[in-house]
Amino acid sequence: QVQLQESGPGLAKPSETLSLTCTVSGASISNHYWSWIRQPPGKGLEWVGYISYSGSTNYNPSLKSRVTITLDKSKNNFSLKLSSVTAADTAVYYCARETRELLRGNWLDPWGQGTLVTVFS
Amino acid sequence: QSVLTQPPSASGTPGQRVTISCSGSTSNIGSNAVNWFQHLPGTAPKLLIYSNYQRPSGVPDQFSGSKSGTSASLAISGLQPEDEADYYCAAWDDSLNGWVFGGGTKLTVL
Repeated sequence: QVQLQESGPGLAKPSETLSLTCTVSGASISNHYWSWIRQPPGKGLEWVGYISYSGSTNYNPSLKSRVTITLDKSKNNFSLKLSSVTAADTAVYYCARETRELLRGNWLDPWGQGTLVTVFS
Repeated sequence: QSVLTQPPSASGTPGQRVTISCSGSTSNIGSNAVNWFQHLPGTAPKLLIYSNYQRPSGVPDQFSGSKSGTSASLAISGLQPEDEADYYCAAWDDSLNGWVFGGGTKLTVL
């Protein structure tokens, strides 16, 4: 059974860098694509970005200048860094595995339970 | 403002069938497969439907999905109290080269 677990500080100060890690168990990070998605309080889900098994990335244009996603194959995890955070970055951050198939399309499964990051001074 | 449009709420009584709609555009739903997720607060979103109508192993057939053009729907039949949750649609967007989501529909079982 594949499981994902987010970890990292639950608090960040404005202008600092938010750092989160997603640890994958039951599957190798050397396969599939891996995504970060966030949900601000009371709002819907927002895709942050993804990294592929080969390390290629793509980010949401609204966050692109501040986001970096990296892969650590030795630890079977991937990480998110979001710089220059503001209160608007307060959200529950989820990691998810993305499967891509030519005939059946893409899907996100499973997801981690999510971790709340609050930005405040 | 979410890229995909869902009604904010839906409701039904036990045993009823409810449908949740999701509207997008040619760059997302019109070109790519739709996912549906069930989300309970404090838990991981659960994939209910992928590839427009496919159910992952373990998801009961009370959940069904369909797609036509740039819109999709999730139907839940035989409504049960434990189905009360938030439901989200999602699709890959070719313009964004990333995922877009609906704003979520809160389902209440009366």
